[in-house]
Amino acid sequence: DVKVTQSSRYLVKRTGEKVFLECVQDMDHENMFWYRQDPGLGLRLIYFSYDVKMKEKGDIPEGYSVSREKKERFSLILESASTNQTSMYLCASIPGGRVHEQYFGPGTRLTVT
Amino acid sequence: KQEVTQIPAALSVPEGENLVLNCSFTDSAIYNLQWFRQDPGKGLTSLLLIQSSQREQTSGRLNASLDKSSGRSTLYIAASQPGDSATYLCAVRDFGNEKLTFGTGTRLTIIP
Repeated sequence: DVKVTQSSRYLVKRTGEKVFLECVQDMDHENMFWYRQDPGLGLRLIYFSYDVKMKEKGDIPEGYSVSREKKERFSLILESASTNQTSMYLCASIPGGRVHEQYFGPGTRLTVT
Repeated sequence: KQEVTQIPAALSVPEGENLVLNCSFTDSAIYNLQWFRQDPGKGLTSLLLIQSSQREQTSGRLNASLDKSSGRSTLYIAASQPGDSATYLCAVRDFGNEKLTFGTGTRLTIIP
């Protein structure tokens, strides 16, 4: 079974802190994604990566950056956390080619105070 | 820009009933459509994936249909059970695009 893991289930940070969210997948997938999920807004794509050291902006990249130094790991970085970044963050991966299903991690609920 | 809508936002039905969840999308040039289940506070679990060339997919008590020309998909759940209570999301992948566009989901409650 494909496994996508996220470093924390719950995280509480203060405004202005630098925050790292880590995502790891164990199936050698090329494509990895970071979404945030908010009530009434659904899932919105922040960034995605289709290969090591490659990244593409999603629909809401402002205030975020990403890092993909190894194929299995995709990190989301909040350079200076703000209260409007309080949300559920979900990581996902798919293998190369578009026919496949997207697999999700369990999510990280981030609260910025 | 693709937009995905799921109506209703919430649905409650008695245990044992059959039910249909709806998903509509604005751009019919999709590559595939995927239905997910999300339990409270958890990540998403893939239920069914329908390729653009397919009309339906079945898994156990679940059946998903796709009508690209009308921009609609339905998820049919037979003989509903309390364990089916969750939020159901549909998402489409457009041609030439690795990204998924999600609907906001339907929160389903099965009443014992």
